Amino acid sequence: DTEVTQTPKHLVMGMTNKKSLKCEQHMGHRAMYWYKQKAKKPPELMFVYSYEKLSINESVPSRFSPECPNSSLLNLHLHALQPEDSALYLCASSPRDGGETQYFGPGTRLLVL
Amino acid sequence: EDQVTQSPEALRLQEGESSSLNCSYTVSGLRGLFWYRQDPGKGPEFLFTLYSAGEEKEKERLKATLTKKESFLHITAPKPEDSATYLCAVARGGGYNKLIFGAGTRLAVHP
Repeated sequence: DTEVTQTPKHLVMGMTNKKSLKCEQHMGHRAMYWYKQKAKKPPELMFVYSYEKLSINESVPSRFSPECPNSSLLNLHLHALQPEDSALYLCASSPRDGGETQYFGPGTRLLVL
Repeated sequence: EDQVTQSPEALRLQEGESSSLNCSYTVSGLRGLFWYRQDPGKGPEFLFTLYSAGEEKEKERLKATLTKKESFLHITAPKPEDSATYLCAVARGGGYNKLIFGAGTRLAVHP
């Protein structure tokens, strides 16, 4: 089973709202990722967690705050977003962080009004 | 600078018309090359991982090959359900776990 689940599937929020995206995997993977994808563009890496510790932050604005409560869960907390943050947010996981295959979830479609 | 270039940008095929997608790369110490399929509004679906030049992998109508400079995704006798965007990505060596993606090839297969 190579399933990564994400909730919610769709999210609409105002610029003053606080919301969270959730990601879960039960494959025993120890690396988890957040990506942002705009229409007709490839995914862009935002954050990498390795063994529940943040190992890469690709200079993402502080209005995006990741959290890894345990080895199976990954959250992305959103606050004071801008309309240009509207995108498909993808979670992925891999066995470790050494270049193994990353498996993606279905994504959360976010619209910021 | 690490770079991945996919061609063509878009490809239109008739059902049953075989073709190939190209992914050329420049990376310091290739750790792996990955092919994904992505349908509109959905997450990328893993297809293949290739680790060394000369390696080949097959799955149904798809076959992926790897050389020292590029990878090909061959599609044999495609069907309309093969229509999707195909993404190529590479991972560089040195324990660096960031995937470098190409821009993708949008494939449309018509009956």
